[in-house]
Amino acid sequence: AQSVTQPDIHITVSEGASLELRCNYSYGATPYLFWYVQSPGQGLQLLLKYFSGDTLVQGIKGFEAEFKRSQSSFNLRKPSVHWSDAAEYFCAVATGGGNKLTFGTGTQLKVEL
Amino acid sequence: DVKVTQSSRYLVKRTGEKVFLECVQDMDHENMFWYRQDPGLGLRLIYFSYDVKMKEKGDIPEGYSVSREKKERFSLILESASTNQTSMYLCASITGGSPYGYTFGSGTRLTVV
Repeated sequence: AQSVTQPDIHITVSEGASLELRCNYSYGATPYLFWYVQSPGQGLQLLLKYFSGDTLVQGIKGFEAEFKRSQSSFNLRKPSVHWSDAAEYFCAVATGGGNKLTFGTGTQLKVEL
Repeated sequence: DVKVTQSSRYLVKRTGEKVFLECVQDMDHENMFWYRQDPGLGLRLIYFSYDVKMKEKGDIPEGYSVSREKKERFSLILESASTNQTSMYLCASITGGSPYGYTFGSGTRLTVV
């Protein structure tokens, strides 16, 4: 069965610093991979997605992620974090023809001013 | 933009009550999903539906049922609410065959007392 692991429950970074959130997946076929962000009290917003092709994908809000098949990873990065990036971030893998998402447990990002 | 609307942001119900959580989407999507979100557990799939009057169990269906009488509406039912069903509930929809990720509602925070 497919699974997603986000090893970091909480991460704290200073505003302006770079950010990398880790995500590892387990899935037998070529995965569809996603990163979502959830601000407090809100639903989930799609940051970016990977289906095939270029392994470095660009998303909204200055985020990017790199798919590494050999490491079964899809880490999220941002070169310079803003205070408004404080939120919870979820990695997900799609199965069932792309229609069913399995989520990681999330990483809570805190940004220090 | 696709809009997924969950009828209530906050609900407080008593143990043993029958609870209905409603979700409506406005883009003619075939697939709809109910997740619950708990701290440290991420999002877990309760039920999903690929078409009207069709339903499939997700990973944690116990204690829940669903109804999809119309394409745009997907209801989650707690037949006899219990305190361990206190959680955030998120509805999502996606068009069939599209690997583009979900559109989420803003969530319903249910408290069972």
